[in-house]
Amino acid sequence: DAKTTQPPSMDCAEGRAANLPCNHSTISGNEYVYWYRQIHSQGPQYIIHGLKNNETNEMASLIITEDRKSSTLILPHATLRDTAVYYCIVSDIQGAQKLVFGQGTRLTINP
Amino acid sequence: DTAVSQTPKYLVTQMGNDKSIKCEQNLGHDTMYWYKQDSKKFLKIMFSYNNKELIINETVPNRFSPKSPDKAHLNLHINSLELGDSAVYFCASSPSDRFTEAFFGQGTRLTVV
Repeated sequence: DAKTTQPPSMDCAEGRAANLPCNHSTISGNEYVYWYRQIHSQGPQYIIHGLKNNETNEMASLIITEDRKSSTLILPHATLRDTAVYYCIVSDIQGAQKLVFGQGTRLTINP
Repeated sequence: DTAVSQTPKYLVTQMGNDKSIKCEQNLGHDTMYWYKQDSKKFLKIMFSYNNKELIINETVPNRFSPKSPDKAHLNLHINSLELGDSAVYFCASSPSDRFTEAFFGQGTRLTVV
């Protein structure tokens, strides 16, 4: 069962930053926060993950609160191709491949 | 070239039939996986293989039998198909112990009627 809660849907204007929240209040000390997305009719795509420090890569930034009970995925300059369902999951390293997705957030980027 | 390719993309079949889904990766990865995504979009792992050896078998009915003839292929055979088997099945591959570098196939939409 998914251990995270996310808003079911969000909208964002093209070119603006998209901020996607995730609550994971029961996260354990050895569990990471992973973000994936699934564009319509395609397989899941890894975005980013982190343990407690903020992380940034070429796709996105991940901000994790100090108590680690929530996080925010930031797409700094959203494009129409970022329209997808975004999934936040928590897992230890060994369990990461199990990828138990919850409902996710359907992000729509508007022109 | 497609990194992880699955065939067929769509499969419609009757209850009780036996069917196979093929998966091939050209990335040189050691580990391959099968996932099932149901109508509510919940994704769950079914199997993983590392160098042709079964690593994960997540309480999947034994009607499902994965077969890995070599480390570039992981096929899924399903016997006696049931209505509840209708779902999208995704194949994936990754380097060993580096799942965040996994690539997924485009999925096979299986419909059992």
